[in-house]
Amino acid sequence: GIQVEQSPPDLILQEGANSTLRCNFSDSVNNLQWFHQNPWGQLINLFYIPSGTKQNGRLSATTVATERYSLLYISSSQTTDSGVYFCAVDNTGNQFYFGTGTSLTVIP
Amino acid sequence: KAGVTQTPRYLIKTRGQQVTLSCSPISGHRSVSWYQQTPGQGLQFLFEYFSETQRNKGNFPGRFSGRQFSNSRSEMNVSTLELGDSALYLCASSATGGVPEQYFGPGTRLTVT
Repeated sequence: GIQVEQSPPDLILQEGANSTLRCNFSDSVNNLQWFHQNPWGQLINLFYIPSGTKQNGRLSATTVATERYSLLYISSSQTTDSGVYFCAVDNTGNQFYFGTGTSLTVIP
Repeated sequence: KAGVTQTPRYLIKTRGQQVTLSCSPISGHRSVSWYQQTPGQGLQFLFEYFSETQRNKGNFPGRFSGRQFSNSRSEMNVSTLELGDSALYLCASSATGGVPEQYFGPGTRLTVT
């Protein structure tokens, strides 16, 4: 299967700071999604981004498929951004491989 | 449009028992996938169903099984529960054709005692 590595594993930020989360993957993919897992366990879709750049409010993401990595940018972080961020990739159309996540804590 | 729903949300079972979890996909979605999340192993793929057929299966023992009904609702079953089966079980659905974006349900938290 595809190996997915996320960095950093843990991140502590002051409210208002910016951050960059990275996802490296070992093979070409046709699906890449970023998720935020809330405290109750649900995975919330942030971006579907197998290539290119997208922005949604304070969040943006970039995937460079040819170099096999994706970046998630969080600007002006808020305490509600705390949680675990997962990158998931797929190259078969029906099986996600997940990274181990980045645990983000935003302190007021 | 309603999201993916899973029932029950919480479950406590005893070793040796069996359990059935249910997942209703987003209306119009025909693909349903199941994942297990544990602190030690992270998120791992269990299986994926499309049009009542299992298309892919992860590396789990035969005690884990599933099925999909004609209305795309899916169930997964775990027989002879072990303590290590305690986990959050997540279901995801996606449309077929076009963008294969997956949407996850809230999960079922299973505790085996």
